[in-house]
Formats: sequence, C-alpha cells, structure tokens
Amino acid sequence: QVQLQESGPGLVKPSQTLSLTCTVSGGSISSGSYYWSWIRQPAGKGLEWIGRIYTSGSTNYNPSLKSRVTISVDTSKNQFSLKLSSVTAADTAVYYCARSDMVRGIRHYYYYMDVWGKGTTVTVSS
Amino acid sequence: DIQMTQSPSSLSASVGDRVTITCRASQSISSYLNWYQQKPGKAPKLLIYAASSLQSGVPSRFSGSGSGTDFTLTISSLQPEDFATYYCQQSWEFTFGPGTKVDIK
Repeated sequence: QVQLQESGPGLVKPSQTLSLTCTVSGGSISSGSYYWSWIRQPAGKGLEWIGRIYTSGSTNYNPSLKSRVTISVDTSKNQFSLKLSSVTAADTAVYYCARSDMVRGIRHYYYYMDVWGKGTTVTVSS
Repeated sequence: DIQMTQSPSSLSASVGDRVTITCRASQSISSYLNWYQQKPGKAPKLLIYAASSLQSGVPSRFSGSGSGTDFTLTISSLQPEDFATYYCQQSWEFTFGPGTKVDIK
C-alpha cells in the first residue's frame, strides 16, 4: 500500500525559499500513470492546489503561484519536491503531498487525489 | 479561472439524517468533480471522483451526482464518523470549493 510522507523545515524566514520533499513508500513513484501533487491549507481555511508533476517531469502549476513554484521529481530516491520562493506570512500553512490517479473519460482523463501524506506545518516568520 | 462555491457553508444534523451538500462551478466542468472529507488535524480523504464514482472502500451511504455546473454530495444516513468538513474539487484546473462543515445538532 502506497504511503506518502512530507519532510522539510517547519520554519522559513520571509523572502526565503520553502523546500519540502515527499517520500513515496510501498511502491515505485515511476510505476503506473500517476501525477504527484502538492496542496496546502492555512490554519482554519480551505485547501489550495499548488501543482503537480508526472514522472516524465511534466508539470502543471496553480496560476496564482506559478511564478514562485517549482516541483521536481527524483525517481532514484522515490521522492518529489516542492520549492516555493519569496515566501511571506501568507504562505504559512499545512502542506500536503498526494498521488493523483486518473480514469479515462470520453474526451479527457478524470484526475483525483487518492493517497495523501499526513501533512507538514510550515510557518513563515523571522 | 473556474470558481467553485459550496452551500451551505455549515450545517447541523443528527445521526441518521439524510444530508445534501451542493457544489457549483462558475462554468461547465462536465463531470470533472471530486468530493473529499476532512476531519480535524487529518489529511483529506477521497470520497467521490468523476462526479458520481464511489472511491474504493468508501461506504455506500455516500453518493455524488450532477454534471455541468451543479453537483451534489449526499449522505443517506449520517453516521457519527461522518461529522467532518467536505470539499468539492474540480479536476479541470484543480480548484477546491470553500468547504461545508457538518457538525452535530
């Protein structure tokens, strides 16, 4: 059974770069046709999709964050990573990684996030 | 950008009640709609994908319907473990709705 685990610094200074890693266990990150996603949630607020990566390296980002986000994958380590630059207090949140599976629709694929990590809290503060 | 709204934002219900949550997209998204359940301090859990397909292992009291811009999540008989916040998500641009909190009456 695939499991995901987020890791990285819990405290980041304003204007610096937030870096998180998601380690995939119980299966290969390269097996199957999955995207690997990052989602965040400020305390007491809703969910925000940040972006996703396919194991080929193809990425999609939330337009509102695109200029500051980089998602990468390291298949040799069975990990994928998030970098968010120029952070401010507004980037303080619980960050989740998730696996995106898909089923074929009539014209497009239906994507959904079926396996999630437990989340890691990142605080942006000096 | 496709905006998602949910109604109500919160509701109070009793065990055994039938509960309906509505999600609306600002433009047609066909059936590209997922539903998630989130309990405090936990990661979201997938309930429904492609508007009406029940995720494996999810109880059959959960069901989803709708297409285009209007969607519904129904819990046929609310159980104690169902008190949580529910989010819809359009899987075209991956935007989430603001959530509906279901608590005990």
